Amino acid sequence: NAGVTQTPKFQVLKTGQSMTLQCAQDMNHEYMSWYRQDPGMGLRLIHYSVGAGITDQGEVPNGYNVSRSTTEDFPLRLLSAAPSQTSVYFCASSPPTGTGGELFFGEGSRLTVL
Amino acid sequence: KQEVTQIPAALSVPEGENLVLNCSFTDSAIYNLQWFRQDPGKGLTSLLLIQSSQREQTSGRLNASLDKSSGRSTLYIAASQPGDSATYLCAVPGNTPLVFGKGTRLSVIA
Repeated sequence: NAGVTQTPKFQVLKTGQSMTLQCAQDMNHEYMSWYRQDPGMGLRLIHYSVGAGITDQGEVPNGYNVSRSTTEDFPLRLLSAAPSQTSVYFCASSPPTGTGGELFFGEGSRLTVL
Repeated sequence: KQEVTQIPAALSVPEGENLVLNCSFTDSAIYNLQWFRQDPGKGLTSLLLIQSSQREQTSGRLNASLDKSSGRSTLYIAASQPGDSATYLCAVPGNTPLVFGKGTRLSVIA
């Protein structure tokens, strides 16, 4: 059971480049979400999805795009990378919150934008 | 808007000491509360999940309690060990998937 898998683990981009962080889960979880973690700021929610075809914005959505075409996958796209997007990104999944679902995290993707 | 506060931000204790980490939240209408551990440069590992109908949950040397009416949870670590050194985060559901505190950075000194 792989759980939540994120790729790549490390990435360096130049300002203005675009890229996609991949996230896949094999637990048939309905909820998936993306967080970024920055020193002193804690974990902040970027986007989340409550099921295939449904996404919504979190606390810091600007500059990011998501889609949820399948239950398993929830990619995060950086449209035009900026140095302010240098961060560690975590993908997470859970059963619906209303059922008391436990949240599971991937190992993280460390992104540096030069 | 749900807000989560963890006190203290950092804690250093000698090995063998029992300790308590605190978590408070502003909206008591929660389904559950979850405690995580994060080692440096790593992802978050779930430690304990307390459902709203429960008052506490135990796993090995860890015991987490939940008092919804007061908006508080505590994580008790018994007989601390150097391997317990990590950042501990609590999280509760808000209007969106979990809202996190900023964590308590624990150092257990041998």
